[in-house]
Amino acid sequence: DTAVSQTPKYLVTQMGNDKSIKCEQNLGHDTMYWYKQDSKKFLKIMFSYNNKELIINETVPNRFSPKSPDKAHLNLHINSLELGDSAVYFCASSQASGKGPLDYEQYFGPGTRLTVT
Amino acid sequence: AQTVTQSQPEMSVQEAETVTLSCTYDTSESDYYLFWYKQPPSRQMILVIRQEAYKQQNATENRFSVNFQKAAKSFSLKISDSQLGDAAMYFCAYRRYGNFNKFYFGSGTKLNVKP
Repeated sequence: DTAVSQTPKYLVTQMGNDKSIKCEQNLGHDTMYWYKQDSKKFLKIMFSYNNKELIINETVPNRFSPKSPDKAHLNLHINSLELGDSAVYFCASSQASGKGPLDYEQYFGPGTRLTVT
Repeated sequence: AQTVTQSQPEMSVQEAETVTLSCTYDTSESDYYLFWYKQPPSRQMILVIRQEAYKQQNATENRFSVNFQKAAKSFSLKISDSQLGDAAMYFCAYRRYGNFNKFYFGSGTKLNVKP
């Protein structure tokens, strides 16, 4: 019954490695997001996809590459990991269009804590 | 640009008492939505309450209610009869009305509940 799921929940890796985080939602939403939450708990959007198309791309290093094989999945691949990439990464989903806040409400995954050593 | 400000990094409340968390936002839009999210130590982001800007009536969800002051661009969250399970980070969020618009989150307020 999990609405938005992410794997893995914890990821520990060394600098320079490449890693991926997967996200899946079973809510039938057409829009998915990646957020980064830093050590001070500040939540910042990175990317957003609507029906597999990139619609929001904030100022994020090119080492981060999202991929959406279908509207229920949004993966995040990170190349050449750096210490500063250590954070919690949240996937979320919502409807892009609608008549009210119930449609726009974002549902979050449990987060992936990435630690780069 | 839209910004959301939570001026209280941390607050404490005694169990069973009432606490109010502040949030202000900056926008030139007239139609938008406001949300409060809760993030307990488990990390899961949970929607607490939502408000439509065109509604004058303040939203209420059980022990949670908001004081929405559109002219002042203020959206505070009141938690009544605080419980230990209310201890968490609380984030205020703004979303402009319309398609493909992103959420803007405040920096969060950590709420401690004392037994």
